[in-house]
Amino acid sequence: ETGVTQTPRHLVMGMTNKKSLKCEQHLGHNAMYWYKQSAKKPLELMFVYNFKEQTENNSVPSRFSPECPNSSHLFLHLHTLQPEDSALYLCASGEGYGYTFGSGTRLTVV
Amino acid sequence: QKEVEQNSGPLSVPEGAIASLNCTYSDRGSQSFFWYRQYSGKSPELIMFIYSNGDKEDGRFTAQLNKASQYVSLLIRDSQPSDSATYLCAVGGEYSGNTPLVFGKGTRLSVIA
Repeated sequence: ETGVTQTPRHLVMGMTNKKSLKCEQHLGHNAMYWYKQSAKKPLELMFVYNFKEQTENNSVPSRFSPECPNSSHLFLHLHTLQPEDSALYLCASGEGYGYTFGSGTRLTVV
Repeated sequence: QKEVEQNSGPLSVPEGAIASLNCTYSDRGSQSFFWYRQYSGKSPELIMFIYSNGDKEDGRFTAQLNKASQYVSLLIRDSQPSDSATYLCAVGGEYSGNTPLVFGKGTRLSVIA
């Protein structure tokens, strides 16, 4: 399998649930990212990992917890989310020459 | 705070016309510039990148960069209905670096058959 794969594609969760988003890349990139895309807003950078180390946390609330066990895998653990966290969550990999995005997880918090 | 500004549109052009999409950025130290296309319900797809002042052509697409004016544009020649999508401008650091990309809100393009 090639490219950047994200699962699940769609997720509906209650505010008290705990869930995880998964991202896997087969492109040999050393950097991976989580972005949030909400309606009428630009893509918001959440977290950056370089060589498995977190190098940027863009003031993201602690109810979002990233994990990067190796350069190919990235997780976003979710707990006690709020309805305003409903959005498209996009994983990407790549460096200065541009990113490749996964298909995204459409998250709805009820 | 680094910002990338785009007109949200929609920009409507007839089939076969030239579509012109514009973007300005605030960080004068930016070195790399990207255009992504995003179809409704899909993830962004990289279509063009440019690092040097001037024009860069790839098929029907031309990216234009003017660092002095902090301005990037994308021209789509012979526009097709399949070009209807949201176009995201993104700005980053050095080609060999790992400065995270900053994205604009995107411009929605509608090509009318």
